[in-house]
Amino acid sequence: SAVISQKPSRDICQRGTSLTIQCQVDSQVTMMFWYRQQPGQSLTLIATANQGSEATYESGFVIDKFPISRPNLTFSTLTVSNMSPEDSSIYLCSVESLDTQYFGPGTRLTVL
Amino acid sequence: GESVGLHLPTLSVQEGDNSIINCAYSNSASDYFIWYKQESGKGPQFIIDIRSNMDKRQGQRVTVLLNKTVKHLSLQIAATQPGDSAVYFCAEMGGKLIFGQGTELSVKP
Repeated sequence: SAVISQKPSRDICQRGTSLTIQCQVDSQVTMMFWYRQQPGQSLTLIATANQGSEATYESGFVIDKFPISRPNLTFSTLTVSNMSPEDSSIYLCSVESLDTQYFGPGTRLTVL
Repeated sequence: GESVGLHLPTLSVQEGDNSIINCAYSNSASDYFIWYKQESGKGPQFIIDIRSNMDKRQGQRVTVLLNKTVKHLSLQIAATQPGDSAVYFCAEMGGKLIFGQGTELSVKP
């Protein structure tokens, strides 16, 4: 299975600021995904990030709020822009490897 | 829209007993299903998967059953241990991975 790391593991931010979350994989992967998990809830797909193309966003998520970069096959970033307390969640990076999907440890974001 | 749901939001079992976690899915076109375990403060961990051309798959202490007729998925954990305490999610792949709501499993010593 792929080994996925995320930075930061957690952060506390002020409203109106932005935070960039990094995701690093130990092997080259084509498909990378970003999910949000609000407190006590399940995972919701934000977007799919493929190298060399723009990310594909799910309904309810827009590029201006969640810009994503995918500069190579082992790395991606998700930015949470102009944060509000409603953005307090766990943000998870995921990759497709050997026909299944694996998850990183998550970034726990609290917005005050 | 399509969705994946769980019958029981919480499950409490005695250590050593068997656990059964159920999941219903609605997308009959889904051809791949995964069970994940999420411990507090961690990301979802892959447990076991099954493809739609199978109805049963076994791993170490875990078994997944798939009933396509009624669109039902279950995860069975044998001889449940305190370390099995976590939230369990089923997920279906029908183009993208869609998660169910999760069941919290609590194991009493």
